Amino acid sequence: QSVLTQPPSVSGAPGQRVTISCTGSSSNIGADYDAHWYQQVPGTAPKLLIYGNNNRPSGVPDRFSGSKSGTSASLAITGLQAEDEADYYCQSYDSSLSAYVFGTGTKVTVL
Amino acid sequence: EVQLVESGGGLAQPGGSLRLSCAASGFTFSGYWMSWVRQVPGKGLVWVSRIDLDGTTTTYADSVRGRFTISRDNAKNTLYLQMNSLRAEDTAVFYCTRLTTLLAFDIWGQGTVVTVSS
Repeated sequence: QSVLTQPPSVSGAPGQRVTISCTGSSSNIGADYDAHWYQQVPGTAPKLLIYGNNNRPSGVPDRFSGSKSGTSASLAITGLQAEDEADYYCQSYDSSLSAYVFGTGTKVTVL
Repeated sequence: EVQLVESGGGLAQPGGSLRLSCAASGFTFSGYWMSWVRQVPGKGLVWVSRIDLDGTTTTYADSVRGRFTISRDNAKNTLYLQMNSLRAEDTAVFYCTRLTTLLAFDIWGQGTVVTVSS
């Protein structure tokens, strides 16, 4: 059902850099709608991590960064820490569906 | 403190109804579009519905259109979701969220659990 595709899982050792891709289409990310990212620790509500492709809300460490190119967006986590272990979701707006759409979600594991 | 607190979840029978509420505090409620997002335990996030500043314009996901109704009372700083003709597949955690001008959900409630089962 999700129109934004993410890898199911990524992993890295503490201190490493990991990236999560979010592949959309010409009716969402490619249509110049912004990509946003959320972090969800199991058992808690999602938290906005990146908005407007590459902006961090107050309080989000600068280890998290976002980018967008064409029909895709990416989230990078540098200096991976144990507390970064969570599920991550991208989100945008889709003009064909007239709906807000989320990615399939990616589980980040810190080895 | 900016906060959203949902209530009204619980057990409903297939074909039954529930009304969710979301109490907002710490910000000017009437100045924001609001939305509901749901999540089946262990699964991903799914947008459900959105309402504009004064309730004039509402939009719904195809899966709930015609069965769910979103509304708001700006005087009470409260968002609602009336859910009718409930189905087993509506079982999920329902989150109340604030929508920004960039179409991001920047504030989330803690969620309320809806279970549809006989």
